[in-house]
Amino acid sequence: ETGVTQTPRHLVMGMTNKKSLKCEQHLGHNAMYWYKQSAKKPLELMFVYSLEERVENNSVPSRFSPECPNSSHLFLHLHTLQPEDSALYLCASSQGVGTSYNEQFFGPGTRLTVL
Amino acid sequence: AQSVAQPEDQVNVAEGNPLTVKCTYSVSGNPYLFWYVQYPNRGLQFLLKYITGDNLVKGSYGFEAEFNKSQTSFHLKKPSALVSDSALYFCAVRAFSGGYNKLIFGAGTRLAVHP
Repeated sequence: ETGVTQTPRHLVMGMTNKKSLKCEQHLGHNAMYWYKQSAKKPLELMFVYSLEERVENNSVPSRFSPECPNSSHLFLHLHTLQPEDSALYLCASSQGVGTSYNEQFFGPGTRLTVL
Repeated sequence: AQSVAQPEDQVNVAEGNPLTVKCTYSVSGNPYLFWYVQYPNRGLQFLLKYITGDNLVKGSYGFEAEFNKSQTSFHLKKPSALVSDSALYFCAVRAFSGGYNKLIFGAGTRLAVHP
């Protein structure tokens, strides 16, 4: 996909490691999102950034730390994770968070495994 | 509370037969509704949306969805299923919370099309 890209696609880490997930959107959007997708559960919205300012933090544990240096890039910094944090982490972007229909475009995801 | 329900974990259909994937919603105000599809090891891809107007919405890959206000439903349909349609399908509704719009997703329905 060239619209929203995510790296790495797969990540295995120990509970004491520190790693970062990267997302980049090439669509000229100004809002970006992190979602967690676990098996047989609805997508969980983790963080929302609009114009590089965080507008939503859905009570996510502090071991997840987002960073949005500009409107095209979004990071998710990980430290001291737990095995239950293993999931597919999806990034998405849209043109604004206050628009009438908020259509979002998704990246391919990073499959995270915490040992 | 604003929510989306997809009552079926899995739908099985024979190739060439019509398919329906069900979705019901609960939202205050006028609903903005979406369908996304997720193929293995991929992110979510936008299929179609209902904002206003005609209750029958046409989208990508021959899919369509019918908005029914009285039944608060937005079922996804296709007249003739293909094996390549086998994937995970998500229904979503726009919700306004915390001063901005966001999407609330259902748990997903796995569609299996058999030759």
